[in-house]
Amino acid sequence: GNSVTQMEGPVTLSEEAFLTINCTYTATGYPSLFWYVQYPGEGLQLLLKATKADDKGSNKGFEATYRKETTSFHLEKGSVQVSDSAVYFCALSDRYSGAGSYQLTFGKGTKLSVIP
Amino acid sequence: NAGVTQTPKFQVLKTGQSMTLQCAQDMNHNSMYWYRQDPGMGLRLIYYSASEGTTDKGEVPNGYNVSRLNKREFSLRLESAAPSQTSVYFCASSADWSTEAFFGQGTRLTVV
Repeated sequence: GNSVTQMEGPVTLSEEAFLTINCTYTATGYPSLFWYVQYPGEGLQLLLKATKADDKGSNKGFEATYRKETTSFHLEKGSVQVSDSAVYFCALSDRYSGAGSYQLTFGKGTKLSVIP
Repeated sequence: NAGVTQTPKFQVLKTGQSMTLQCAQDMNHNSMYWYRQDPGMGLRLIYYSASEGTTDKGEVPNGYNVSRLNKREFSLRLESAAPSQTSVYFCASSADWSTEAFFGQGTRLTVV
């Protein structure tokens, strides 16, 4: 079935440091890939997405490229801010929801803390 | 534009009690989902509804039932609550399989 694996956290960075959160996936079809962000006490909200191989999603200085050959969708930001402190979830959505696979599958989340 | 609305926001139940979590979306989305979020476990899918009139089990359906009442509403019922169901529950919706999901604010449920 479909699955998403992302790096374990928590991750603690100093302000203006470079961020990478690794994400790899397994899917039976050709999924769309997403990064969601969850701020404390809130629901998840979309950060960026990519719908086909080699697409790059970007938003608020964050970027991720859909790499079909390595089944990866790593999240990067060149210079993090304190306000980026949150939990980040990698997810995939696949129309082929056979036994054991579901339409929208999430990784376990990576908690990022940015210190001044 | 309210998006996805969940009620209630907080609930405390005694073991064995029943309750229904309500979810409504005003975006004319086809797909709706119920997830639970537990520390260290990420989001786990309980049930989903790909379109009005259909529902399917997710990863952790035991102890839950759902109803897709109409295109807007998707409710989650706990028939006999157990302490293991203490969690934060999120409802989400999406237009179709390839588009982003929109989430409600969550229901924090404690079963004592």
